Amino acid sequence: NAGVTQTPKFQVLKTGQSMTLQCAQDMNHEYMSWYRQDPGMGLRLIHYSVGAGITDQGEVPNGYNVSRSTTEDFPLRLLSAAPSQTSVYFCASNQNGQITDTQYFGPGTRLTVL
Amino acid sequence: GNSVTQMEGPVTLSEEAFLTINCTYTATGYPSLFWYVQYPGEGLQLLLKATKADDKGSNKGFEATYRKETTSFHLEKGSVQVSDSAVYFCALSLRGYSTLTFGKGTMLLVSP
Repeated sequence: NAGVTQTPKFQVLKTGQSMTLQCAQDMNHEYMSWYRQDPGMGLRLIHYSVGAGITDQGEVPNGYNVSRSTTEDFPLRLLSAAPSQTSVYFCASNQNGQITDTQYFGPGTRLTVL
Repeated sequence: GNSVTQMEGPVTLSEEAFLTINCTYTATGYPSLFWYVQYPGEGLQLLLKATKADDKGSNKGFEATYRKETTSFHLEKGSVQVSDSAVYFCALSLRGYSTLTFGKGTMLLVSP
């Protein structure tokens, strides 16, 4: 089992460029989430999905789009990158959506926007 | 809204010292509580959790007890090792779909 995988590991963008951060899981989990980690801020929820075709916004959704066409994949799109989006991005998945559920995290993508 | 407050770091200890990292929470219901650990260059992984009041979570020598009366979930370990050096995050889950609300994280540095 690979668990949760993310690509790329590192990325540098210029302001205004677009890109997609990839996330995949092989645990057949229905629930997937994207978080960003900033120094002194902990992790904050960007978007989440409760199954294929169903997504919703988290705490900091502006500037990001998501879609979920399959159970395995949950890509995060930056439409027009801004320096404020410089961060480390983590994808996570969990099995049953209950508040007792454990989330499994990917290794992260470190994004720098110049 | 829901929030988690943890002590600021870094916490610097010598090997075999006792560790406490304080965590308190504010929630509008009865959350589940978690400690996640992030080793350098890696993603987060679950360290332990507790899902109801007075539950004690434990793993790898770490413990934390869910205290509803003080809204706390302090992390403790009796004897830390250099390999415990990492960032520790306290988190709660209350809303549906198990999305997490995190504290800001506490860096632990253990020297030989």
